[in-house]
Amino acid sequence: QSVVTQSPSASGTPGQRVTISCSGSTSNIGSNTINWYQQLPGTAPKLLIYTNNQRPSGVPDRFSGSKSGTSASLAISGLQSEDEADYYCAVWDDSLNGWVFGGGTKLTVL
Amino acid sequence: QVQLVQSGAEVKKPGASVKVSCKASGYTFTRYYMHWVRQAPGQGLEWMGIINPSDGTTSYAQNFQGRVTLTRDTSTSTVYMELSSLRSEDTAVYYCARLTVAGLYNWFDPWGQGTLVTVSS
Repeated sequence: QSVVTQSPSASGTPGQRVTISCSGSTSNIGSNTINWYQQLPGTAPKLLIYTNNQRPSGVPDRFSGSKSGTSASLAISGLQSEDEADYYCAVWDDSLNGWVFGGGTKLTVL
Repeated sequence: QVQLVQSGAEVKKPGASVKVSCKASGYTFTRYYMHWVRQAPGQGLEWMGIINPSDGTTSYAQNFQGRVTLTRDTSTSTVYMELSSLRSEDTAVYYCARLTVAGLYNWFDPWGQGTLVTVSS
């Protein structure tokens, strides 16, 4: 059981906006920046959002991140079929003195 | 471009050890910490530990203390992850990932392609 929790699944139809949440505590999300990774089926994770809300070059602006207190969110607007993947949040935990990942959210595009 | 290339799949018996390599290219090897993360079949990502390629210092997740050893070879820009006393629950894909740092902030990018380790009698 991860110290950072995500809802296990999310879904939406093409064109919709979906939000994936990540909930933690003062020792992780509450005191450190959060990163998001996208894992397409059968591939390695890929950086999607870093430092709460920054997009690496090449990531469409349909993807956005935010953080408030001990929670963070990843929003995907204009949902596309190729967005179907697993999404993970990751953050440093000061108590564990290590990185922790959320359990992952499987996004299904209906 | 920055690239991490890992060694191939392994099959090991319970109780054995496995050593996975991760060869870095496209950047100065000693300037970036390297992490290891694993993913059991159908499961999420689990952080294992970190190595500083410059001086070889390491830090391990509590779950792996005493069983995992990270090393590096600066002459070949390669880091290694060795996991001992393997059990069936260690069956997973193992990833290396470079830690990119900007000021106070950091993130994993890029990742290696992953190495499947299967533990089976």
